[in-house]
Parts: sequence; structure tokens; C-alpha cells
Amino acid sequence: QSVLTQPPSVSAAPGQKVTIPCSGSFSNIGNNYVSWYQQLPGTAPKLLIYDNNKRPSGIPDRFSGSKSGTSATLGITGLQTGDEADYYCGTWDSSLSAGVFGGGTKLTVL
Amino acid sequence: EVQLVESGGGLVQPGGSLRLSCAAFGFTFSSYWMSWVRQAPGKGLEWVGNIKRDGSEKYYVDSVKGRFTISRDNAKNSLYLQMNSLRADDTAVYYCARDLPGGLVEYWGQGTLVTVSS
Repeated sequence: QSVLTQPPSVSAAPGQKVTIPCSGSFSNIGNNYVSWYQQLPGTAPKLLIYDNNKRPSGIPDRFSGSKSGTSATLGITGLQTGDEADYYCGTWDSSLSAGVFGGGTKLTVL
Repeated sequence: EVQLVESGGGLVQPGGSLRLSCAAFGFTFSSYWMSWVRQAPGKGLEWVGNIKRDGSEKYYVDSVKGRFTISRDNAKNSLYLQMNSLRADDTAVYYCARDLPGGLVEYWGQGTLVTVSS
């Protein structure tokens, strides 16, 4: 049981938009920055979004992040088959004094 | 270019010990908190623990407290994870990662597989 809650899977057609929610609590998302990670099959995770809504250099603006209260959302527009991957949200939990991840969401581009 | 290279994984019996290493390249190692994150086969990511720039503070997930110890050698640009009293549920790919200032982790290594089995 992960501290942060994500849907196990989402799907959408190529070219469409998808959103992936991440739900937490006051001690984690509510008081700390959220990051999002993409893990392509057989590879290490890669940072997609940091500080709730910032993109590292090289990440296309098709990827966006937002946060409201104790929830965060990853948005992906113009879906491509290459976006098929597992996506994880993560943040610090001030009560646990530990990092926490969501359980991950598998994106399928139909 | 930031590069993190883990080593030391392998097969170990339950109750045994293993020490993972992570060599860091391409950045000032002593300026960053560093973390270990693991991923059991077919499962999600689990943050294991992290260590402050000078090694003076360390934090761990509850499931490894008292069994795992994170350390670093800034002179050698290296991070370590000493794992004792290993259990089958410690079986995972272990990633070394550079922390995000104010956030979780930023850069990841390629991972090293630890298998705990008799």
C-alpha cells in the first residue's frame, strides 16, 4: 500500500491527452514539492517534472504538472506510442521523514 | 554529464549481507544529498533512504531501519549501501540517485540487482 495513490492504468489514443492523478495528504503533497518520473520498459526512471510543475531541460512541453492541496496531476498531450511507460509521482513526507512514491500508473497508447 | 554507476549486486542467502557501491561522475558530489531507491521485480518504486552532503544526517524507510546503512566518501565521489540481515522481500533492483534540492530525486543510475534466495 503506497502512501501516494495513483490509478494502476490509464489509456488514450495517439494524439490525445491524458491526465494521471496522484493523491496524498497534508504531510506529503500538501507541504512538499512533487516530482514525476517516467520509466520506459527495462530502463531506469527518468525525471519528467519537478517542483510540482517545472520541466528539466530536454523534456518536451507536452508534459506538464500541477498541484492543488493534497493532490497532484501529470498531464501529457499529443500522445505518442513512445510515451507508453510507467509513471510515478513522488515527494517527501514530513511526518515519516522519508521519501514516498505513488504505486505507479501504466500508460497505454492505444 | 551526470553519471551514477552502481555495483555490488548479486545473489545472497537470507540473513546474509551485501554492500552496494555507487560511483558518481560529472558533478560536485559533496554538494548533494544522495538516495537509494529500489524496485522489486514487477513492482513499483520504493525509496530506501538518503544521506546529507556531509554524511551527518540519514533517513530510512521503516522496513530497512536497523538493517541497512547508507554512507558516503566524498573524497572518492562514492555512495554506499550496507545491507545486513537480508530477507527475500529485499530482492530488487537498487538504484543510486542524486537528490533534488527541496524535492525527491533527480538523476538515477542504471541499477544493480540484489537477489535474496537460498
